[in-house]
Amino acid sequence: QVQLVQSGGEVKKPGASLKVSCKASGYIFSSYGISWVRQAPGQGLEWMGWISGYNGNTKYGKKFQGRVTMTTDTSTSTAYMELRSLRSDDTAVYYCAQLDYGDTWGQGTLVTVSS
Amino acid sequence: QSVLTQPPSVSGAPGQRVTISCTGSRSNIGAGYDVHWYQQFPGTAPKLLIYGNTNRPSGVPDRFSGSKSGTSASLAISGLQAEDEADYYCQSYDSSLSGVFGGGTKLTVL
Repeated sequence: QVQLVQSGGEVKKPGASLKVSCKASGYIFSSYGISWVRQAPGQGLEWMGWISGYNGNTKYGKKFQGRVTMTTDTSTSTAYMELRSLRSDDTAVYYCAQLDYGDTWGQGTLVTVSS
Repeated sequence: QSVLTQPPSVSGAPGQRVTISCTGSRSNIGAGYDVHWYQQFPGTAPKLLIYGNTNRPSGVPDRFSGSKSGTSASLAISGLQAEDEADYYCQSYDSSLSGVFGGGTKLTVL
């Protein structure tokens, strides 16, 4: 079955960088893109961006441009999301999702940014 | 503040019909971009409920329906059941093809 498995939760200090992985299985990775969505505690969903599984083209949300980089490794069917210059308000659950055809979500990665 | 506006909460008794609105602008919903709806239970990932404004994925009960008109969209839930109590989010795209979400609506079944 189609599945996305994310890396484990992390605790980061302000100013640090974060890299979350998302390993896909059960479908041809290059056929669809991967979206990244985050959710701060008690808050709503926030669209961070999308990366093509075919050619690595990206579209980032305006709020994250300049601070986020999304990449893929087609050899391992894995997508990555790197967020730099972390702040306390980046504390959130980060989800990867395949939304191009139907929807499949990763289990979420809790990231806590705290000094 | 979210680009798409939803009511923070709605409620209804079992068996009733409720609607959740999603108001955008001419740069997103009004520009013709599709609206999708997600359902989320506490501590779990969202689940697609409606895609392409009106379409239900396989397995979603026909009690759920979506519509779109102008710069707004709506999700209707008829025959409300206790298991429908969850958070609901609309999602579309803006003119730069960035995704945008509504702020979410908490549905309470009385």
